[in-house]
Amino acid sequence: SQTIHQWPATLVQPVGSPLSLECTVEGTSNPNLYWYRQAAGRGLQLLFYSVGIGQISSEVPQNLSASRPQDRQFILSSKKLLLSDSGFYLCAWTSGTGVYYGYTFGSGTRLTVV
Amino acid sequence: DQQVKQNSPSLSVQEGRISILNCDYTNSMFDYFLWYKKYPAEGPTFLISISSIKDKNEDGRFTVFLNKSAKHLSLHIVPSQPGDSAVYFCAASSRRSQGNLIFGKGTKLSVKP
Repeated sequence: SQTIHQWPATLVQPVGSPLSLECTVEGTSNPNLYWYRQAAGRGLQLLFYSVGIGQISSEVPQNLSASRPQDRQFILSSKKLLLSDSGFYLCAWTSGTGVYYGYTFGSGTRLTVV
Repeated sequence: DQQVKQNSPSLSVQEGRISILNCDYTNSMFDYFLWYKKYPAEGPTFLISISSIKDKNEDGRFTVFLNKSAKHLSLHIVPSQPGDSAVYFCAASSRRSQGNLIFGKGTKLSVKP
C-alpha cells in the first residue's frame, strides 16, 4: 500500500533562517506531488506541484522553492524565512491520472516563524 | 479571485440531525468536485467526490449534491455524529488546471452530543 511521510511535524524558526521540509512517498512510482499551505483563516493554497523528477511548477510567487531530486521525494525550501511564511504545510500525492480519486495528504508540518 | 467558496466558516449541529455544508464555485470549467475532512494537526482525508455528469453521489451517511446551473454543491451528513466534528474542505478541479485541486477555505463542523 502507498504511504506518504512528511517531517518534521512542528518547526519553530527565526525570521531570516533557512527552511527545508521533506516529503517522501512509498509504494508507488512516478507520483504527482504537491505542496499546499494552510495559513491562518485561509483555505488550502497550492504552492508547487511536480509531475516528474526535476519538474516543478509554481502556482504562487513567493519566498519558497521546491525541488524533486528523486521520483518519490519532494522538498520545500526557503533561503530566508519571513513571518508570513508561518502556516501548516501539507504534502500530497496522486497517481498521474488519479486526480479523480483525490489526493492523499501527509500529516503536515506546523511552521511558526518568530 | 476565489474560485471555490465556502461562505460558512462554522456550523453547529445536534447529534443525530442532518449537517449540510455548502460550497459555491465560479469556474464553469470545473468538472470534478471533492470533499475532504480535516482534524486538527492532521492532513485532510478524502471523503467523497462527484463528477460533473452526475447530480448526486451517496456513500453511507454522506451524500454530495451538485447543481451545475447554480454552480453549487453541498455535502449532507445524516445522521451527524460527534466524530464528524472536523473542518470540511470543498475542492474542485478541471482538465484545464491539469487536475490540480482548488480548495475552499473550509467549514468547521461541530456536532454536539
